[in-house]
Parts: sequence; structure tokens; C-alpha cells
Amino acid sequence: GEQVEQRPPHLSVREGDSAIIICTYTDSATAYFSWYKQEAGAGLQLLMSVLSNVDRKEEQGLTVLLNKKDKRLSLNLTAAHPGDSAVYFCAVTTGGLSGKLTFGEGTQVTVIS
Amino acid sequence: DPKIIQKPKYLVAVTGSEKILICEQYLGHNAMYWYRQSAKKPLEFMFSYSYQKLMDNQTASSRFQPQSSKKNHLDLQITALKPDDSATYFCASSQEDWGPYEQYFGPGTRLTVL
Repeated sequence: GEQVEQRPPHLSVREGDSAIIICTYTDSATAYFSWYKQEAGAGLQLLMSVLSNVDRKEEQGLTVLLNKKDKRLSLNLTAAHPGDSAVYFCAVTTGGLSGKLTFGEGTQVTVIS
Repeated sequence: DPKIIQKPKYLVAVTGSEKILICEQYLGHNAMYWYRQSAKKPLEFMFSYSYQKLMDNQTASSRFQPQSSKKNHLDLQITALKPDDSATYFCASSQEDWGPYEQYFGPGTRLTVL
């Protein structure tokens, strides 16, 4: 089945700087890619999602890049602020009727003022 | 107003007992899911339902049984609880179980089994 690796597991970034989180996946049939944010003690907030026909998407200080050749997905947080401190997860699915999302292990992002 | 409600927020149970985790969504979605998050593993898919029908079951144990009494409800019954069942259980929903797969998550129920 699909395997997703996410790195780094921990990331410290100064306020105003950028941070990048990378996920690699194994199944070339993967069709849909998402990024979620989880603040302490809370549920998962959907940040952004892209279909496999999209290489780049930018929204509200976030950039998602998809490299299907290398099976790599990245999330770039630009101009980090303290509210960005959280755990970030990538999630992928090959589609079909299951709707199953396969998650990366998560990246704990700490924004230092 | 919260769009996906999970009850209770925290739950403590003794080994061997049975509990039901409640999930209700008010997004008008047709597909609902259960995921589990434990300290030992990343978020794991458990079940998916579409129009109140089971679409996928990836749990290895029959002790976990989803129950859908209404289209916007998907409860999770867990029987013969074990300490390894301790985890946070998240309910999620999407418009359909086929593309574009935007799933929205509830706040979770944190289960501790003693």
C-alpha cells in the first residue's frame, strides 16, 4: 500500500523566515494531496489541497509544490509568524471509492520570536 | 458554530469495557470517516462510509464497529477495550467519497483505557 514519508520531524524557524516541509509518497497513482495543520489539543485544519494535475498552488502565505516525477510534495510557509506554530501533516490518496487518506508522520513547527 | 461535533472530548475506560464515540456533521456531506491518532503511529484510516454504507474498513479487529443511524451521524463502538486502544479518534467528512477528497476533521475524542 501507499507509504508516505515526511521530513523533518521538527523544525524551528525565526519569525519572518520561511520553512519547508517535504513529503514523499510511493504510489504513482496518487491523485490528491492535502496539507493539514494541528494545533495543540485540537483537530486537523485543512490548509490546502491539490489534484495531481497541479504543480504549484499558493494561498495566504503558503505554497504547495508537487513533483510527480520524484513523487514529492512540499509545503512552504513564507514569513512565518507565531500562529504558525503547530504540527503539519501531509495526506495523500489514490482516489477510488474508499476516500482513505494516508498521512505523513507530521512536522512540529516552532516559530521563534 | 462547530460543523463537526464529536462527543465526548475525553473518555476514560477500563480494560474490557465498551464505549461509543459520537460524531455528527453539519456540513451536508455524504461521506464520513474515522481515523485514529496514537503516540506510536501516524494518523491511521479506520473506516469510510458513503450514504450510510460502509465503503472501506481498514481495522484489523471486529471490536471496532461503526454505526450510522442518520446520514450525518457516524458513531464508533469499541468493545472489549484494551490499553492499546488508547488514542485520539477523529471523525471526518467530505462531500463525496470520490474526488476532490477534501476531508474536514472534527476536534477528536481522546480515549484512555486503563
